[in-house]
Amino acid sequence: DAKTTQPPSMDCAEGRAANLPCNHSTISGNEYVYWYRQIHSQGPQYIIHGLKNNETNEMASLIITEDRKSSTLILPHATLRDTAVYYCIVRVVHRDDKIIFGKGTRLHILP
Amino acid sequence: NAGVTQTPKFRVLKTGQSMTLLCAQDMNHEYMYWYRQDPGMGLRLIHYSVGEGTTAKGEVPDGYNVSRLKKQNFLLGLESAAPSQTSVYFCASSFVAGTQETQYFGPGTRLLVL
Repeated sequence: DAKTTQPPSMDCAEGRAANLPCNHSTISGNEYVYWYRQIHSQGPQYIIHGLKNNETNEMASLIITEDRKSSTLILPHATLRDTAVYYCIVRVVHRDDKIIFGKGTRLHILP
Repeated sequence: NAGVTQTPKFRVLKTGQSMTLLCAQDMNHEYMYWYRQDPGMGLRLIHYSVGEGTTAKGEVPDGYNVSRLKKQNFLLGLESAAPSQTSVYFCASSFVAGTQETQYFGPGTRLLVL
């Protein structure tokens, strides 16, 4: 079973900030939160990850709540090219660990 | 630096035929993965490898075999293809730093089993 819960779809107007929520209420202390996205028919692409603190890179920002039970991926100025399925994953690297992607959130950027 | 490449890009098989999908990475990554993705679904892990010569089962391993004879290559085999194996197959390799891991995916192989 997926360790995360995401809304199946969301809409966002072009140029506005897209805020994608993820619930991971059973996250353990050493698990990181990762976000990937998959643009139609392509392989998934890494976006960002974090443990406790908020993170920002050239693509997005990641806000993790203080209790770490949920997080939000923020795309600050969404463009049509950001239309994709976004996957939230919690994971720590173990030799016998299996990555569970879940179904993700389908983000539609509206012109 | 080609990243992760997959061969072939597209293949049509008849039920019962066999084939091997090749994944290659030039980033010296230890971990490699094979996923399948069915229409409207997320990725499901088939098999993975944490290093040369090692493999392990994922969520949906039945009907597939894998080998990691060289660090840069991860092969996925279908011994007797079935229509249920019609899917898009993605390979990934990952950079691991301590307990953090970033995956890099290939472009996918589209397989149709008739």
